[in-house]
Amino acid sequence: AQTVTQSQPEMSVQEAETVTLSCTYDTSESDYYLFWYKQPPSRQMILVIRQEAYKQQNATENRFSVNFQKAAKSFSLKISDSQLGDAAMYFCAWTQGAQKLVFGQGTRLTINP
Amino acid sequence: NAGVMQNPRHLVRRRGQEARLRCSPMKGHSHVYWYRQLPEEGLKFMVYLQKENIIDESGMPKERFSAEFPKEGPSILRIQQVVRGDSAAYFCASSPPQGRYTFGSGTRLTVV
Repeated sequence: AQTVTQSQPEMSVQEAETVTLSCTYDTSESDYYLFWYKQPPSRQMILVIRQEAYKQQNATENRFSVNFQKAAKSFSLKISDSQLGDAAMYFCAWTQGAQKLVFGQGTRLTINP
Repeated sequence: NAGVMQNPRHLVRRRGQEARLRCSPMKGHSHVYWYRQLPEEGLKFMVYLQKENIIDESGMPKERFSAEFPKEGPSILRIQQVVRGDSAAYFCASSPPQGRYTFGSGTRLTVV
């Protein structure tokens, strides 16, 4: 069965600094998609970034970028120039596409002013 | 284009009552997914539906839980004879066939 593991239950970073959240996954599939979702206290699930496994280039969205290592089955999220509004739970997720999402346990990110 | 609409936002039920959670997918989305989130945990898949069909219900508890996505109207997640352990946030997501998911704001179910 596919699994997603986030080994950091909590992380904190100073405002304007850079932080990296870790995610590893286990699958025997070769074609799949990976996501990072942000869940603020409002509980809304907000898509941060999406990566297709067949693409070697790492996805970026403004201050958010990923380090996708397919052979190592690793998918970390880097947040640059951290802002107070980045404080939230962050979930890593895996899917084959038009199938269920498999989520990690989440990392709670705190931004220190 | 309204997003995924879930209602109610909050639902309180006494033990033994039925809970009905509704999800209206985004316009043009034919796939609906239900997830459950217990406090301080990630989202756990429950069921995947297309119009009038259950595609994958591998995450659904075998008893008391059911889901439907009729030809007309919203998708419904029904929990019969609720127990305290059913208290959680229930999220619905929808997608087109290409799998770009959009989540609703969730329904927080509290069983008292």
